[in-house]
Amino acid sequence: SQQGEEDPQALSIQEGENATMNCSYKTSINNLQWYRQNSGRGLVHLILIRSNEREKHSGRLRVTLDTSKKSSSLLITASRAADTASYFCATADTGRRALTFGSGTRLQVQP
Amino acid sequence: DAGVIQSPRHEVTEMGQEVTLRCKPISGHNSLFWYRQTMMRGLELLIYFNNNVPIDDSGMPEDRFSAKMPNASFSTLKIQPSEPRDSAVYFCASNSRGLAGVGLRTDTQYFGPGTRLTVL
Repeated sequence: SQQGEEDPQALSIQEGENATMNCSYKTSINNLQWYRQNSGRGLVHLILIRSNEREKHSGRLRVTLDTSKKSSSLLITASRAADTASYFCATADTGRRALTFGSGTRLQVQP
Repeated sequence: DAGVIQSPRHEVTEMGQEVTLRCKPISGHNSLFWYRQTMMRGLELLIYFNNNVPIDDSGMPEDRFSAKMPNASFSTLKIQPSEPRDSAVYFCASNSRGLAGVGLRTDTQYFGPGTRLTVL
């Protein structure tokens, strides 16, 4: 079953705008990761945030983690058409090596 | 590095046929994961191996599915007999429970391009 639930399911914005995606989970985690999937391709790791971290940045990406609310957000600033893809959060549960993926957010960036 | 390699990239077969999907993990990685992705159920973990040993196969749908990892550089996922509801994209991923930077472990998974399976 999918632990992570993401919202929105789909998001359409204009180039240059910011895109925010949210993820909620249910269990205790070691870390939370965000992956990107272009249509017809495999998933590519974007960023990992550990359970003892609250915020992390990587280029135009900003991830926050609130373990008390069991939620995370991914912010993509100054979006580009090339950012069009599906974005998934994945949790590494305590004591388990495998990842549990959310349902994903489909982001469409209009040029 | 060539990344995770999967074959075939596309497979079309008829119901009842045996299907074998193949995966070559990144050299040096000691964990391998098989996932299935469908529109209805999203991305699901089927099974994962650590040091060639199956650790968690609770996601394997039923006895028609089996997976093996005879050595560190090769794994197979077999479906026999295949059914239309098995149609999906099957991903293999690998990683290493090694150190990434000073005192850090990495849980990042590296995915292959997937095998799109269609069972008619």
